[in-house]
Amino acid sequence: DQQVKQNSPSLSVQEGRISILNCDYTNSMFDYFLWYKKYPAEGPTFLISISSIKDKNEDGRFTVFLNKSAKHLSLHIVPSQPGDSAVYFCAASAKAGGTSYGKLTFGQGTILTVHP
Amino acid sequence: DTGVSQDPRHKITKRGQNVTFRCDPISEHNRLYWYRQTLGQGPEFLTYFQNEAQLEKSRLLSDRFSAERPKGSFSTLEIQRTEQGDSAMYLCASSSLSGNYGYTFGSGTRLTVV
Repeated sequence: DQQVKQNSPSLSVQEGRISILNCDYTNSMFDYFLWYKKYPAEGPTFLISISSIKDKNEDGRFTVFLNKSAKHLSLHIVPSQPGDSAVYFCAASAKAGGTSYGKLTFGQGTILTVHP
Repeated sequence: DTGVSQDPRHKITKRGQNVTFRCDPISEHNRLYWYRQTLGQGPEFLTYFQNEAQLEKSRLLSDRFSAERPKGSFSTLEIQRTEQGDSAMYLCASSSLSGNYGYTFGSGTRLTVV
């Protein structure tokens, strides 16, 4: 079963506008969420994360919002730049052994294209 | 330290052959993970180690797959009697014990079984 879902396979936006990427999860045990960016032929690169005790985390142009009641998170990129064009993965984790996080469960990814 | 290193970057093998991949994590990271990614999908968890102990294995990891981390440093992933369905990108990642600052991934090994 797909515990982390990214229902939009692709998103196209104009340079300078906002990009919003969405992610839904089903496992209530998840309490730490991450976004990764991936270019072809490279491994995923960590972008930003959020703990379930927060509902927002911001880092420069990137903001992640978490709605625990809806089991939904989103990544906002403002302003979008052509260099942001990549595949974006949402991932989630739960504390393993009660004290630290273990494996990540990934969504299927969303291909973001930012047009000049 | 230059990050997580994986070798080889590409591997083409004939069906039925055995292959072995290597991962060198960030030196101060004591957790090491293996994932598999196929086209159009996100990375799928295979297994992870804390130091030399293998703490969890996915149901995806059939008995043809084995992973080791003998001295708690580098790790190897071996696939025996490869099948065409094993064709994928195999990703390694490492993290500190807390993992709260994001797992660092290597560039992966692209396996093609012909």
